[in-house]
Amino acid sequence: ETGVTQSPTHLIKTRGQQVTLRCSSQSGHNTVSWYQQALGQGPQFIFQYYREEENGRGNFPPRFSGLQFPNYSSELNVNALELDDSALYLCASTLDLGQLNTEAFFGQGTRLTVV
Amino acid sequence: GNSVTQMEGPVTLSEEAFLTINCTYTATGYPSLFWYVQYPGEGLQLLLKATKADDKGSNKGFEATYRKETTSFHLEKGSVQVSDSAVYFCALVSLEYGNKLVFGAGTILRVKS
Repeated sequence: ETGVTQSPTHLIKTRGQQVTLRCSSQSGHNTVSWYQQALGQGPQFIFQYYREEENGRGNFPPRFSGLQFPNYSSELNVNALELDDSALYLCASTLDLGQLNTEAFFGQGTRLTVV
Repeated sequence: GNSVTQMEGPVTLSEEAFLTINCTYTATGYPSLFWYVQYPGEGLQLLLKATKADDKGSNKGFEATYRKETTSFHLEKGSVQVSDSAVYFCALVSLEYGNKLVFGAGTILRVKS
């Protein structure tokens, strides 16, 4: 079975630009969650997609948006980038929203730097 | 709301020393508790988990016991190795929030040879 892969691994953008990050979920997993990990902090939940529908959102502004495709891969889009958006963005996949004892499998992350 | 508090780091130990990283939580209902580890330049890997009170999770010599009375899930290892150097995150999932993980701030562990 394949793991969770994210692309690109590193990215530098200018304030005000837009960015798209991509995630391929683990084989057989239909649920993808995105997290933002600022330097020296724990990951913060952005949103989750289950079977192509958004299923819950954390405390992030609307300029953070996402998509999930029929093959369950996912995109995270951020518009009007701000310096504070600089972080490691992590994607995690689970099966059927997951149960309380289900392991979430994480990708290696995309390091976004906004200058 | 749900939250996780971890001891601040960095924690610096010599090889073969005993490790404890404290974690306490606040949650409604009966959360599941996890420890994730992040090696340099990598994503998160599940280290161990416990899904109900008094459960003990264990993996690779690490252990943590779900203590409902003290709302704690402290990570321990009897003898650390240089290869254990990483950032450790305590996290929880509760039924009210599906499988959205709530993480602590992380604790950096440095093990010297």
